[in-house]
Amino acid sequence: DAKTTQPNSMESNEEEPVHLPCNHSTISGTDYIHWYRQLPSQGPEYVIHGLTSNVNNRMASLAIAEDRKSSTLILHRATLRDAAVYYCILRDGYGQNFVFGPGTRLSVLP
Amino acid sequence: DSGVTQTPKHLITATGQRVTLRCSPRSGDLSVYWYQQSLDQGLQFLIQYYNGEERAKGNILERFSAQQFPDLHSELNLSSLELGDSALYFCASSSSAGFVIGELFFGEGSRLTVL
Repeated sequence: DAKTTQPNSMESNEEEPVHLPCNHSTISGTDYIHWYRQLPSQGPEYVIHGLTSNVNNRMASLAIAEDRKSSTLILHRATLRDAAVYYCILRDGYGQNFVFGPGTRLSVLP
Repeated sequence: DSGVTQTPKHLITATGQRVTLRCSPRSGDLSVYWYQQSLDQGLQFLIQYYNGEERAKGNILERFSAQQFPDLHSELNLSSLELGDSALYFCASSSSAGFVIGELFFGEGSRLTVL
């Protein structure tokens, strides 16, 4: 699986938007970009995924650069419950496993 | 609730012992993944099964083994336990064999403490 690079930690204020970046300069044409998050004392949970186009769901938006070498997870209004470790993962169409990197620890300040 | 059930939630044992962790995937999911999460290592992929067959292997030690049964539940066996095996062990399930999307659903984990 291709490698991703994320900042170790980020901080946000409650009710403000948060942009979590991910670099994946070695992404291949068949790699999907997945985001998961892990709340304290819980297992990871799916957030969103995409291939080329920007994606929106009830939890977040995913903005993918035109060259696909980077992407940004957007939380439109951070809440205290969004404090978690966010993982950006690449997975190709035939990948057999999910490899998690260190992720970004997001702190949300009241 | 992800629909993935892991037992036991907590387990304390001694070095040299053997334990079995159990995972029941979401109804209908054929793929099961095992991950180990320790404080200094993050989430490490161990192994994946699809419909009873091993599909992918990650950083799984030879002292560890796993299997998926006909009813699709999976067990992770850890033997000759060492202090460094203390960790959270997560099971995840997915409906796909491993290709295309296949969102992973994680259980709450089994916390193993080796004394």
